[in-house]
Amino acid sequence: QVQLVQSGPEVKKPGSSVRVSCKASGGTFDNYVFSWVRQAPGQGLEWVGRIIPAFDIGKNGQKFLDRVTISADKVTATVYMEMTSLRSEDTAVYYCTRSRSEMTTSDGFAYWGLGTLVTVST
Amino acid sequence: SSVLTQPPSVSVAPGMTATITCGGDNLGVKAVHWNQQKPGQAPVLVMSYGSDRPSGIPERFSGSISRNTATLTISRVEVGDEADYYCQVWDSGADHVLFGGGTKLTVL
Repeated sequence: QVQLVQSGPEVKKPGSSVRVSCKASGGTFDNYVFSWVRQAPGQGLEWVGRIIPAFDIGKNGQKFLDRVTISADKVTATVYMEMTSLRSEDTAVYYCTRSRSEMTTSDGFAYWGLGTLVTVST
Repeated sequence: SSVLTQPPSVSVAPGMTATITCGGDNLGVKAVHWNQQKPGQAPVLVMSYGSDRPSGIPERFSGSISRNTATLTISRVEVGDEADYYCQVWDSGADHVLFGGGTKLTVL
């Protein structure tokens, strides 16, 4: 079955950067849509961006155009989300997700990782 | 508009029917999905493309879409259905994903 295994929790200082990884297993990799979704404490879900590894071009949400880079390593079947210039408001659980169908950006997120807590604090 | 509007909370007694709505412009022509999130857990996709139930989701869950409203209906509600429910839409024009604010379902 499909599994998305994310990297461990991170504690970062304001202004620094963080990179969260997500290793996929149990299916093919290149043609699926991988998205990152975050959830601040006690808040709702927010889409950060996505990538289709076969195309190797990420697409970010409006709020994250300048600070987030989403990339993929087809050899290790791992997706990465890097966020720069961190601020306290970026404290959240970051989830990696995968689409149900290949090449379908409109698809729901059929698979979710367990989440990675990123804490931004002095 | 790029806003999805959900009621903050819905309460229902066990065995009854829960209806959770999601309002937005022209939802009838968009890809609408529903996610269930229980406390401390990652979300789970419970309805896809408005009315397509993923494998493993009970038949008690159903969905529909009218012009500007998507609806998730849970029949014969159980205590285990208590969770936050989020609608999700892919905005093809802007090519990005939107989430509703979430609805907390309480089973009394």
